[in-house]
Amino acid sequence: KQEVTQIPAALSVPEGENLVLNCSFTDSAIYNLQWFRQDPGKGLTSLLLIQSSQREQTSGRLNASLDKSSGRSTLYIAASQPGDSATYLCAVQRNKFYFGSGTKLNVKP
Amino acid sequence: SQTIHQWPATLVQPVGSPLSLECTVEGTSNPNLYWYRQAAGRGLQLLFYSVGIGQISSEVPQNLSASRPQDRQFILSSKKLLLSDSGFYLCALEADNTEAFFGQGTRLTVV
Repeated sequence: KQEVTQIPAALSVPEGENLVLNCSFTDSAIYNLQWFRQDPGKGLTSLLLIQSSQREQTSGRLNASLDKSSGRSTLYIAASQPGDSATYLCAVQRNKFYFGSGTKLNVKP
Repeated sequence: SQTIHQWPATLVQPVGSPLSLECTVEGTSNPNLYWYRQAAGRGLQLLFYSVGIGQISSEVPQNLSASRPQDRQFILSSKKLLLSDSGFYLCALEADNTEAFFGQGTRLTVV
C-alpha cells in the first residue's frame, strides 16, 4: 500500500527566507503528484501538479520537483511571506489519491 | 473550469441522528469523486470514491455510506451518527488522472 510521508511536520521561519518542504512515497508507480495548500478550517487549494513524466513545475515563487525513481518530491518556496502560512499537503495518485499528513508552515513577519 | 459545491459549511448534530452531506460538481463530465475526512490535527482519510453513477468503493469500514445518484452528485450519509464521526469532510473530484479539486468542506460536530 502506498504511504506518503511529509517532513518536517511543522516549520517556523522568518519572512524572506527560502524554504523546502519534503514529501516521500513508497510506491513509485504513480500517475502524478500534487501539492496543496490548506488554510485553517478551509478546503484544499491546488498549488502544483507534476505528471509522472515531468521533473518539475513552477508557479510564481513556488517550484516543485519530482524524482519518481527515488520516491521523493520537494516544494521550494522562495522569499517566504506571512501570507504563505498554512498547511502544505502532498498527494500521489494512482487510481486514488494518497496524502501525506502535511507540513504546517508559519512565516513570521 | 471545474468547481465543487459542498453544503452545509458547518453542522452540529446529536448522537444517533441521521446525516446527509451533499457534493455537486460543475464543469466536467464523468469525474471520479471522493469523500475524505480530516480529524483534528490529523491527515486526510479517504472514505469513499466513485468512478461513475451508482459505483461506490469504500475504503474503511465505518458508520457512513455514500451514494452517487447522478453523474455530478455525491452524497455522504449516516443512519445514526456517533461521536467519532465528528470531523472535517471534504469532497473532491478528479478527471482522467489529472489535477484534483476540492470543495470547501463541511465541519461536522456530533454532540
